[in-house]
Amino acid sequence: TQLLEQSPQFLSIQEGENLTVYCNSSSVFSSLQWYRQEPGEGPVLLVTVVTGGEVKKLKRLTFQFGDARKDSSLHITAAQTGDTGLYLCAGGAGGGGADGLTFGKGTHLIIQP
Amino acid sequence: KAGVTQTPRYLIKTRGQQVTLSCSPISGHRSVSWYQQTPGQGLQFLFEYFSETQRNKGNFPGRFSGRQFSNSRSEMNVSTLELGDSALYLCASAQGAATEAFFGQGTRLTVV
Repeated sequence: TQLLEQSPQFLSIQEGENLTVYCNSSSVFSSLQWYRQEPGEGPVLLVTVVTGGEVKKLKRLTFQFGDARKDSSLHITAAQTGDTGLYLCAGGAGGGGADGLTFGKGTHLIIQP
Repeated sequence: KAGVTQTPRYLIKTRGQQVTLSCSPISGHRSVSWYQQTPGQGLQFLFEYFSETQRNKGNFPGRFSGRQFSNSRSEMNVSTLELGDSALYLCASAQGAATEAFFGQGTRLTVV
C-alpha cells in the first residue's frame, strides 16, 4: 500500500513569513500533484510535477519533486492571508488526472494578519 | 464554462438505508473519479469511470458502487449505510488520463 506522509499537520504563522510543507513516501510515484482546499469546496490543483528533481514556481509558491520521485516540498514565500487553506499532496501512476490518486492527509495552514 | 456539479450538497440518512449521489462533469470531460474524504483518513480513491466503463477501483467494500452514463454524468451508490460512511464525497472530472482534473464541491453525507 502506497502512503504519503505530510508534515507538518498544522501550521499557523504570521503574514509575511516563509514556510515549507513536506510530502514523503517510501514509494515511487510517476507524478506528484499539489492541491489547495478551502472549507466547503473541493480541492483545486496547484501544480503537477513528473520529473525527479523538477522545480516549478507559481508566483510565491515553489514546488520541488525529489530526485527519487518519493518526496516533494511546497515552499511559500512571504505568506499572505489568502494562502490559508488545506494543502494536499497526491501521488499518481500517470502524468496527471485524478484517477487512482494516493493523497496525503494534508497540512492545515493558517496565515494570521 | 460550468464546473463540476455534485448533487445534493448535503444529505442525512439513517443506518441501513441506501443513497445515490450524482456528479455532472465539465462538458467534454469523459473521466470521472470519486473520492471519500474524512478527517481521519483524508481523501481515499473509490473508483474511476471513462466512457461508461469502470477503469480503476479503490479498496472499498462492495456496498460502494458507481456507474457512468453516455453523457458522462456519473452516480455512486452506497447500500446498507453505516455510521462510518459519514464523509464528504468528491468527484473529479478530466478530459482523459494525464490531464488536469477538476473537483466538485462535494456531497456531505451524514449517517445517523
